Amino acid sequence: QQQVKQSPQSLIVQKGGIPIINCAYENTAFDYFPWYQQFPGKGPALLIAIRPDVSEKKEGRFTISFNKSAKQFSLHIMDSQPGDSATYFCAASVYGGATNKLIFGTGTLLAVQP
Amino acid sequence: NAGVTQTPKFQVLKTGQSMTLQCAQDMNHNSMYWYRQDPGMGLRLIYYSASEGTTDKGEVPNGYNVSRLNKREFSLRLESAAPSQTSVYFCASSDWGRGPEAFFGQGTRLTVV
Repeated sequence: QQQVKQSPQSLIVQKGGIPIINCAYENTAFDYFPWYQQFPGKGPALLIAIRPDVSEKKEGRFTISFNKSAKQFSLHIMDSQPGDSATYFCAASVYGGATNKLIFGTGTLLAVQP
Repeated sequence: NAGVTQTPKFQVLKTGQSMTLQCAQDMNHNSMYWYRQDPGMGLRLIYYSASEGTTDKGEVPNGYNVSRLNKREFSLRLESAAPSQTSVYFCASSDWGRGPEAFFGQGTRLTVV
């Protein structure tokens, strides 16, 4: 049972391009949606997160778009750079509970070519 | 500030052997977690601990046990390792009172032969 579905599995873009990674969730109780970035041999690190009270959030070159009615959210990377090459995971959880039990998507391997 | 520290970083076990993965956090977080990461499957929650003295099963607990030794430390034990437990294991910690972010360790790459 995959509660958070992520696509595509892999993505190759040229430097300066705008890769887009999409996620869809099923559980309407989820109200916290983070994106994690993972480099080879490292643990995931929080990149940006959104809650359902807004439809878009920007932090630097990274933007999350959120569609509550469709239960979908996406990550856009503006002016992508070779240093952005990494695996990206979307996730979902219930905000403010006793714990932050994250349900992860399956990941997207992004390669940004020079 | 070390964050979340996991030991060991790499381990090879034979089928049937046991071992304990160690995790410690220095952020005074209440909650700690163990995830496993497998190709094409993302990260899946094995066990978690909401606070010192409590532990609960996650999505894939079979074959594992955990101990929340104190507020800082949360260990994961494989009693009789199986090849299906070959994976990369991540420990994480969080505390809503200090913000929503969950912090992850560097991972333990475990191979069971």
